[in-house]
Amino acid sequence: AQTVTQSQPEMSVQEAETVTLSCTYDTSESDYYLFWYKQPPSRQMILVIRQEAYKQQNATENRFSVNFQKAAKSFSLKISDSQLGDAAMYFCAYRRRGSNYQLIWGAGTKLIIKP
Amino acid sequence: NAGVTQTPKFQVLKTGQSMTLQCAQDMNHNSMYWYRQDPGMGLRLIYYSASEGTTDKGEVPNGYNVSRLNKREFSLRLESAAPSQTSVYFCASSPGMNLQETQYFGPGTRLLVL
Repeated sequence: AQTVTQSQPEMSVQEAETVTLSCTYDTSESDYYLFWYKQPPSRQMILVIRQEAYKQQNATENRFSVNFQKAAKSFSLKISDSQLGDAAMYFCAYRRRGSNYQLIWGAGTKLIIKP
Repeated sequence: NAGVTQTPKFQVLKTGQSMTLQCAQDMNHNSMYWYRQDPGMGLRLIYYSASEGTTDKGEVPNGYNVSRLNKREFSLRLESAAPSQTSVYFCASSPGMNLQETQYFGPGTRLLVL
């Protein structure tokens, strides 16, 4: 069964600094997608970034980038120039081809931004 | 530009009571989903609807039923609520069920079953 592991329940970073959130996953598939979602206190889940497994190039979205290591099954999220508005829970998720294209979610990492 | 909306935002039920959580999307998406989120865990899929007129079980369907009323609306029903169903419930939608498509989430419903 596919699993997604986020080993850091909580991380903190000084405003304007860079922080990296870790995510590892377990799969025997070769074709899949990986996602990072942000959940602020409002509780709405917001897509931050996604990565196609067949692409070697790491995805980037403004201050957010990923380090995708397919062989190691690692998908970390780097946030540069951290801002107070980045404070949230961050969830890593995996999606593969299959009977229902289900998203498999990690348990989340709480990111605290120190002013 | 509402996206995915859910009602109610918060609900308290007594064990054995029933209720329906409502979800609607205005993005003309074909696929809709219901998740639950429990502390220390990722979201778990309860039911999904790949397209209007179809529904299928997800990872944790027991104790729930769903109805895809039309393309816009997808409701989740608890027939006889149990304390184990205390959770935050999220509805989501996506254009389709293709691998690369992003799911868009509603603001969630916090349910407390006493």
